[in-house]
Amino acid sequence: GQNIDQPTEMTATEGAIVQINCTYQTSGFNGLFWYQQHAGEAPTFLSYNVLDGLEEKGRFSSFLSRSKGYSYLLLKELQMKDSASYLCAVRGPIGNQGGKLIFGQGTELSVKP
Amino acid sequence: SQTIHQWPATLVQPVGSPLSLECTVEGTSNPNLYWYRQAAGRGLQLLFYSVGIGQISSEVPQNLSASRPQDRQFILSSKKLLLSDSGFYLCAWSVRVDEQYFGPGTRLTVT
Repeated sequence: GQNIDQPTEMTATEGAIVQINCTYQTSGFNGLFWYQQHAGEAPTFLSYNVLDGLEEKGRFSSFLSRSKGYSYLLLKELQMKDSASYLCAVRGPIGNQGGKLIFGQGTELSVKP
Repeated sequence: SQTIHQWPATLVQPVGSPLSLECTVEGTSNPNLYWYRQAAGRGLQLLFYSVGIGQISSEVPQNLSASRPQDRQFILSSKKLLLSDSGFYLCAWSVRVDEQYFGPGTRLTVT
């Protein structure tokens, strides 16, 4: 079966660092995605990891451990505009199976002043 | 550059009425195309995907159907809407394994 777990809600303070975890069990793995989704809007792409390790992009970093089925998204120097839902998704087999992304339920992050 | 369009942006339809949502992609060829639905406060549920013209795979059996009449056009349809069909419908495309981009979405309310 396929299962992707992430915390439902998190709260953090402006200027702080927050880590959002994601664990997965999937049949076939072609990378892990993180998306940001503000209320009422479409998800926007943040990061893609396919090899173990940390990928850094400005204030956002994403980590992957394939052996542990584990990823995290790290947000530094939090800003109020970072309040959003953060979605973890795993890409399954490609080719005729379409490279489907299977999503977790999302983590609602609230940044407080 | 690539762009993805969806219309309409919002739709209010009565129970039992038909539905047609359209998605088009510009600036790329032979993309994989996807339809997702997001119920209020929930994650994204994959409904259909297509790897080419006329090739549709269904993920969840329900009263919806999808078609891909052209390379960059993906249509989601229903003959009779149910209340449970309300939600945020998102179309997405990808060509490379390390990408997937979403359209702006259609918010459907079935009354």
